[in-house]
Amino acid sequence: RKEVEQDPGPFNVPEGATVAFNCTYSNSASQSFFWYRQDCRKEPKLLMSVYSSGNEDGRFTAQLNRASQYISLLIRDSKLSDSATYLCVVNMGAGSYQLTFGKGTKLSVIP
Amino acid sequence: SQTIHQWPATLVQPVGSPLSLECTVEGTSNPNLYWYRQAAGRGLQLLFYSVGIGQISSEVPQNLSASRPQDRQFILSSKKLLLSDSGFYLCAWTLPLALDEQFFGPGTRLTVL
Repeated sequence: RKEVEQDPGPFNVPEGATVAFNCTYSNSASQSFFWYRQDCRKEPKLLMSVYSSGNEDGRFTAQLNRASQYISLLIRDSKLSDSATYLCVVNMGAGSYQLTFGKGTKLSVIP
Repeated sequence: SQTIHQWPATLVQPVGSPLSLECTVEGTSNPNLYWYRQAAGRGLQLLFYSVGIGQISSEVPQNLSASRPQDRQFILSSKKLLLSDSGFYLCAWTLPLALDEQFFGPGTRLTVL
């Protein structure tokens, strides 16, 4: 089983739409969870950390379900500038300095 | 504030040639440092990480090596490049002893012909 699996995408949505990305991870000892955004031919940048209680940052909402080992990202009112690849990222577990990256889900927001 | 630099930005090398990519971090001390490779259509693959000078952990057996000659300098090398070494090489750092988010450099796009 792959360590971090994401929706394969691509997601093509109109402006203003709501879109959700899902991610599952295999290491039950993982402690830190993130969503990164990567624009074409650029480096990944942190979009938001994911906390157990769920967290929101403007139009973005992240949720974590430890029991199911599942992470989600919801984007409301999609903008053209949201077009990018979204990477689900999980740390390897207690005492680990390593992060495992999903392959990413590509989002294209269409005018 | 902290910044991370990588160079060169792009590189085209023939098969069998050597490689040296450099990464430096400013504005922090004793960072954890990482080298990743992202091949076309694939996810980020961790190649090496370092928690201190001279301390290198290798994740994937290959013809690449890494060194950390100074606290905030991380170098990725190869004696003989393979076609399969083509990709987008990213250096990243985190705070010392942190399991937290990683900050990435702008990357080096390597094409091996």
